Amino acid sequence: GAVVSQHPSRVICKSGTSVKIECRSLDFQATTMFWYRQFPKQSLMLMATSNEGSKATYEQGVEKDKFLINHASLTLSTLTVTSAHPEDSSFYICSADSGVEQFFGPGTRLTVL
Amino acid sequence: GENVEQHPSTLSVQEGDSAVIKCTYSDSASNYFPWYKQELGKRPQLIIDIRSNVGEKKDQRIAVTLNKTAKHFSLHITETQPEDSAVYFCAGAPGGGNKLTFGTGTQLKVEL
Repeated sequence: GAVVSQHPSRVICKSGTSVKIECRSLDFQATTMFWYRQFPKQSLMLMATSNEGSKATYEQGVEKDKFLINHASLTLSTLTVTSAHPEDSSFYICSADSGVEQFFGPGTRLTVL
Repeated sequence: GENVEQHPSTLSVQEGDSAVIKCTYSDSASNYFPWYKQELGKRPQLIIDIRSNVGEKKDQRIAVTLNKTAKHFSLHITETQPEDSAVYFCAGAPGGGNKLTFGTGTQLKVEL
């Protein structure tokens, strides 16, 4: 199947700093990518839909100024968690839409101290 | 928006037995229902999916059934093996697109 990568896989940062997570589709172009957040023992919650060349669409309750999304090319979307706080600690997973199904990245474990 | 409910939250079966996980959805416009297996700390892996133009789909030991009238769909795993132990998520795509709403997950444990 198609491959989606995420970088970094783990990040530990201090409260108040910003963290950027990259999501890449390695062998296909993705007009649309999705960003999810998953807390321990919980389901995946969609945060936003990232569209190449246009603004992201955020789900209700997700602060667009805190979670900045940029989808600058058909193979790369980035999520920047600005001014991270301990409650932002979570597993962040992206997915890329191939037009047939979504392929998920391996996830990024963010820990904010 | 779409709401997907999933039951049970945990399921223990003996090796070789069958496991059934059920989901209901609310949006009658949804037409794509994938099932994912997620091992601890890893990405969700698509194991089977079904679209609303069919009522059942099977792939070896895994099958999914869909009842559009009742708005529910189920995952069936036969001849369970220890390596089937994981968290399983159902999902629905509202409006025919690929914006997925996930169920709450089922922790399946297959015991020897």
